[in-house]
Amino acid sequence: GAVVSQHPSWVICKSGTSVKIECRSLDFQATTMFWYRQFPKQSLMLMATSNEGSKATYEQGVEKDKFLINHASLTLSTLTVTSAHPEDSSFYICSASGLVLPYNEQFFGPGTRLTVL
Amino acid sequence: SQKIEQNSEALNIQEGKTATLTCNYTNYSPAYLQWYRQDPGRGPVFLLLIRENEKEKRKERLKVTFDTTLKQSLFHITASQPADSATYLCALALDTGTASKLTFGTGTRLQVTL
Repeated sequence: GAVVSQHPSWVICKSGTSVKIECRSLDFQATTMFWYRQFPKQSLMLMATSNEGSKATYEQGVEKDKFLINHASLTLSTLTVTSAHPEDSSFYICSASGLVLPYNEQFFGPGTRLTVL
Repeated sequence: SQKIEQNSEALNIQEGKTATLTCNYTNYSPAYLQWYRQDPGRGPVFLLLIRENEKEKRKERLKVTFDTTLKQSLFHITASQPADSATYLCALALDTGTASKLTFGTGTRLQVTL
């Protein structure tokens, strides 16, 4: 149980285009979803926290107009990278947390590799 | 400034030995600490959680200790196997809410050889 999926697993796009990444909790209701970014050989950096039905809370230094997050249902959150540039190339990972899960545990998706040419 | 430090150099050990990984933190008062495993190109997988009032937690071949005075957690894998080779991340949570944010260390790569 407690499986989180992400789609796509990898994407290559041209500079200036927008890319949408989906994060789904497959077998539980995720009241909170988190979005992280990981550059090569670096740690996961939290970008934003989203609660179902409300606006996401962004970490300092993360542009909310560039990284649009929508958490429209208890099983789906989306991250849209708008007007992507090569410096946005990274590994994007979501995690989900819910009230029925083991206390404090976050379940992570497999990640999405974004390459912007 | 706040820091979470894990040994950035890879840890190489022989199969069957005990691997010990360290997580040190400064200027944090975490409510709990978690350890994750991450394989290349994959998301982290939860291993163990230990709360601030707990000294030690065990799960099968894994053991975690938490010393809030030293501001350090140790992660042990006994009877290590080549399949244990991966990067291990520690993460701190500052509050006990179900939606508490995690701050990750940079991870330590473990390589178990035959």
